[in-house]
Amino acid sequence: SQQGEEDPQALSIQEGENATMNCSYKTSINNLQWYRQNSGRGLVHLILIRSNEREKHSGRLRVTLDTSKKSSSLLITASRAADTASYFCATAPGSNYKLTFGKGTLLTVNP
Amino acid sequence: DVKVTQSSRYLVKRTGEKVFLECVQDMDHENMFWYRQDPGLGLRLIYFSYDVKMKEKGDIPEGYSVSREKKERFSLILESASTNQTSMYLCASRPGKSISPLHFGNGTRLTVT
Repeated sequence: SQQGEEDPQALSIQEGENATMNCSYKTSINNLQWYRQNSGRGLVHLILIRSNEREKHSGRLRVTLDTSKKSSSLLITASRAADTASYFCATAPGSNYKLTFGKGTLLTVNP
Repeated sequence: DVKVTQSSRYLVKRTGEKVFLECVQDMDHENMFWYRQDPGLGLRLIYFSYDVKMKEKGDIPEGYSVSREKKERFSLILESASTNQTSMYLCASRPGKSISPLHFGNGTRLTVT
């Protein structure tokens, strides 16, 4: 069962612009995580936000979490061509062993 | 840095063959996972293991089994490969604490003909 759903499915921007991706989920969560996947590779963890946090920053990344709306957003500021990748949100609901991923947003940053 | 190593990047097998996908992690992690990734479907959890010899079904366990005899190694077994098991398989591990990120291998792209 798919817990998180990213929006949009694909996003194309110019280098230097900001990119915003959204994630909606269905059930209550313990934490929400964002991952990046470069083409043909494994996923790399970017940032984790706990259910009692509203916003978190890491370098050019900003993540927000709204548990009342069951949604999260990932903002990448001043994007670079190297940010081109697929981005996934993943949620850990009651059973924390099972981290459930969405289908991802494909971000293309044009130089 | 945590390293999760999957034994093959690309694998081609025939329908009906028994297939073993191996995953090894070097950080003494308790939890290990197998996902498959398909276009338009994202990542789906096949099986996970929270400790040696312990396993639990994920969302799509049919047609698969797993083995965790040693802490560092988690094997995914396709008992009788079928063409609908053609996919990218991703292994991941993490420490036993629930709030820990997953560390992924680079994946095995399996083609069943």
